Amino acid sequence: EAAVTQSPRNKVTVTGGNVTLSCRQTNSHNYMYWYRQDTGHGLRLIHYSYGAGNLQIGDVPDGYKATRTTQEDFFLLLELASPSQTSLYFCASSDWTRGYEQYFGPGTRLTVL
Amino acid sequence: GEQVEQRPPHLSVREGDSAVIICTYTDPNSYYFFWYKQEPGAGLQLLMKVFSSTEINEGQGFTVLLNKKDKQLSLNLTAAHPGDSAVYFCAVRSNNYAQGLTFGLGTRVSVFP
Repeated sequence: EAAVTQSPRNKVTVTGGNVTLSCRQTNSHNYMYWYRQDTGHGLRLIHYSYGAGNLQIGDVPDGYKATRTTQEDFFLLLELASPSQTSLYFCASSDWTRGYEQYFGPGTRLTVL
Repeated sequence: GEQVEQRPPHLSVREGDSAVIICTYTDPNSYYFFWYKQEPGAGLQLLMKVFSSTEINEGQGFTVLLNKKDKQLSLNLTAAHPGDSAVYFCAVRSNNYAQGLTFGLGTRVSVFP
């Protein structure tokens, strides 16, 4: 069974704060993704990566950086957090087998005051 | 890019009854189609997937129908039970290499006795 973990599960910060969200997958998948989930918008892709050191821009990248340090680890960085980034963030991983079906982590709820 | 419309946004179903959720997508080059289930406080769990045109998949009390001619994907809940109460998302992946999935906005299903 695919395993994707995220930390922290909950985070509160202030406007202008610096936040790092972590994701680890133990599936040996090449692809990893960061999404945000907001009421009325569903899930939207922020950044994704197809291997260590690789980064691709998603649909809503403004205000976010990401880094893929290893095949297992993918980080999302908010260097100057704003209230508009209050959201539920999901990490996912996938591979070319089985049609790139994605396995999701449990999510991180971020609140920016 | 791909756009996915999902309806209805809310569904109230009596236990034992059936219900259907429909997604319409725009990109004729989309190739992989998924249904995810999200329970409160949890990540997205893959429910079913379908790849071929006009394919029907059955399992776990659900039937999935893909009609590529009409660019429509449907999830039929055949005999609802309380454990089916959740938010359901359809997701579509185009042939765009390594791009993440495009999600519908979700359908909140409530099963009542």
